[in-house]
Amino acid sequence: QQPVQSPQAVILREGEDAVINCSSSKALYSVHWYRQKHGEAPVFLMILLKGGEQKGHDKISASFNEKKQQSSLYLTASQLSYSGTYFCGTELNNTNAGKSTFGDGTTLTVKP
Amino acid sequence: DSGVTQTPKHLITATGQRVTLRCSPRSGDLSVYWYQQSLDQGLQFLIQYYNGEERAKGNILERFSAQQFPDLHSELNLSSLELGDSALYFCASSVQGSGQETQYFGPGTRLLVL
Repeated sequence: QQPVQSPQAVILREGEDAVINCSSSKALYSVHWYRQKHGEAPVFLMILLKGGEQKGHDKISASFNEKKQQSSLYLTASQLSYSGTYFCGTELNNTNAGKSTFGDGTTLTVKP
Repeated sequence: DSGVTQTPKHLITATGQRVTLRCSPRSGDLSVYWYQQSLDQGLQFLIQYYNGEERAKGNILERFSAQQFPDLHSELNLSSLELGDSALYFCASSVQGSGQETQYFGPGTRLLVL
């Protein structure tokens, strides 16, 4: 079942923060986050595994709340280069590892 | 540059035809994934191979087939093409194909069926 991402779109000024959520109705094994710029391939940001964890990469971090079956991506002090569409991909279990289901994406626009 | 290569970059063909998309994974990666990205259906997982064997199957149509060769490159065959098959087709690779790894995406093949 496809995860639900929210919001669908967000517009920020440089330096502002944003949160993108990814929710599933089923228990998740892992959550992946990707950023895709227009006309380009998705680029991996990070993976979170069940057990609840938080990861960070520069000013982008994410959390995975196993009880809520929700992951959130945090973008702090946004930069123009953060613009793009953010996708979460979810996997339900280890036996089907690799079989990801993706959300519809959240379009982030960062303006000067 | 992710290290994953895909050919061709663009493909224009007619309904009913058959095409083959090719993917070479990053050096050292044993697993290859195929995805379809269209405007109305977003990013869809099609199929995954690990070291020549099919590992996971997603929403892949019966008209589509794939394989991974001994040199680890993979091909996605699309036959009896329909207008709705027009999309971007990405392949990605990872080291072991588990759910705990980074997937590196190739630049994609843009397929247009007329």
